[in-house]
Amino acid sequence: GENVEQHPSTLSVQEGDSAVIKCTYSDSASNYFPWYKQELGKRPQLIIDIRSNVGEKKDQRIAVTLNKTAKHFSLHITETQPEDSAVYFCAASKGAGYSTLTFGKGTMLLVSP
Amino acid sequence: DVKVTQSSRYLVKRTGEKVFLECVQDMDHENMFWYRQDPGLGLRLIYFSYDVKMKEKGDIPEGYSVSREKKERFSLILESASTNQTSMYLCASSVQETQYFGPGTRLLVL
Repeated sequence: GENVEQHPSTLSVQEGDSAVIKCTYSDSASNYFPWYKQELGKRPQLIIDIRSNVGEKKDQRIAVTLNKTAKHFSLHITETQPEDSAVYFCAASKGAGYSTLTFGKGTMLLVSP
Repeated sequence: DVKVTQSSRYLVKRTGEKVFLECVQDMDHENMFWYRQDPGLGLRLIYFSYDVKMKEKGDIPEGYSVSREKKERFSLILESASTNQTSMYLCASSVQETQYFGPGTRLLVL
């Protein structure tokens, strides 16, 4: 089955810096890659996703890049703010239909003022 | 706005008890999922369901069972709770790939 590796497990940055979280996946049939953010004590929420026919997607300060050849994708957060502090999970799926998400183990991002 | 609710936020049970965790979604989603979340291990899929009465094992089904009698409700059952089932349990629903999570139930088994 699919295996998703996520690095780093913790990341500390200063407010205003950029943060990058990287994930690799094993199943070349995976074609959907979402990122979830989980604030302390709250439920995971989708923040951005990308499909395999797209190399990059951006939404304000957040961007995701995908390299299908290398089977890795990354989350980029620019101009980090304290409210970006949370645990971020990447995931991979074979897409629509009866596909499940396989999650990475998560990255705890701490943004210091 | 999608709403996924879980019956309890916190639960304390004794070893050997039968435990029911319930999840309800109000968006007529076909798909529902149960995960457990443990520090350093991420979200691991226990069971999922793509239709009423239908269930499929996820990655860690041992010690758990599920029930889906109605489309909006998906129950996770711990037949005989053990201390290693102390964890955060998250339910999710989806209509396509995007999963919407409930608030979670933190279960402590003593």
